[in-house]
Amino acid sequence: GAVVSQHPSWVICKSGTSVKIECRSLDFQATTMFWYRQFPKQSLMLMATSNEGSKATYEQGVEKDKFLINHASLTLSTLTVTSAHPEDSSFYICSAASGLAVSYEQYFGPGTRLTVT
Amino acid sequence: QKEVEQDPGPLSVPEGAIVSLNCTYSNSAFQYFMWYRQYSRKGPELLMYTYSSGNKEDGRFTAQVDKSSKYISLFIRDSQPSDSATYLCAMSLRPGTTDSWGKLQFGAGTQVVVTP
Repeated sequence: GAVVSQHPSWVICKSGTSVKIECRSLDFQATTMFWYRQFPKQSLMLMATSNEGSKATYEQGVEKDKFLINHASLTLSTLTVTSAHPEDSSFYICSAASGLAVSYEQYFGPGTRLTVT
Repeated sequence: QKEVEQDPGPLSVPEGAIVSLNCTYSNSAFQYFMWYRQYSRKGPELLMYTYSSGNKEDGRFTAQVDKSSKYISLFIRDSQPSDSATYLCAMSLRPGTTDSWGKLQFGAGTQVVVTP
């Protein structure tokens, strides 16, 4: 149980275009989803927290107009990188939690590698 | 100064050896301490978690937390080539802490290579 999927697993886009990444909880209802970004050989950095039906809460320094997050259902959250630039190239990982009681009860997706050319 | 410090490695050990990993942190309010394993181009997988100080053992894995020193460790006994991965420590505040619910603070990860 507790499977989280992401789609696509790898995407290449041109500078200035937008790309959408999906995060799905396959066998549980995710009331909370987290979006992380990971640069090579660096730690996961939390970008934002989203609760189903509410606006996402962004971490300091993360542009909410650039990284649009939608959590419209209990099994799906999307991250849209708008007007992508090469510096947005990174590994984006989501995690999902159901009625989060403790921090470790969140399950990570396999990640999406974004390359902006 | 980063909130969580972790040596990125790589750490190379022969098969069967004990792998010793550690992290230090600066925020004394952290209460939950986790270790994740991440294979290349994959998402993190939870290995162990510990609440507050103490030791916890699960099979070949032992996690230790020393809150007085702000230092946590993970030991892997009888290491196997399949243990080759990046190991991330993570920690969080207690549940209910304002504006910090569920947020994990990760270390940079230590790359471990177990050679046959």
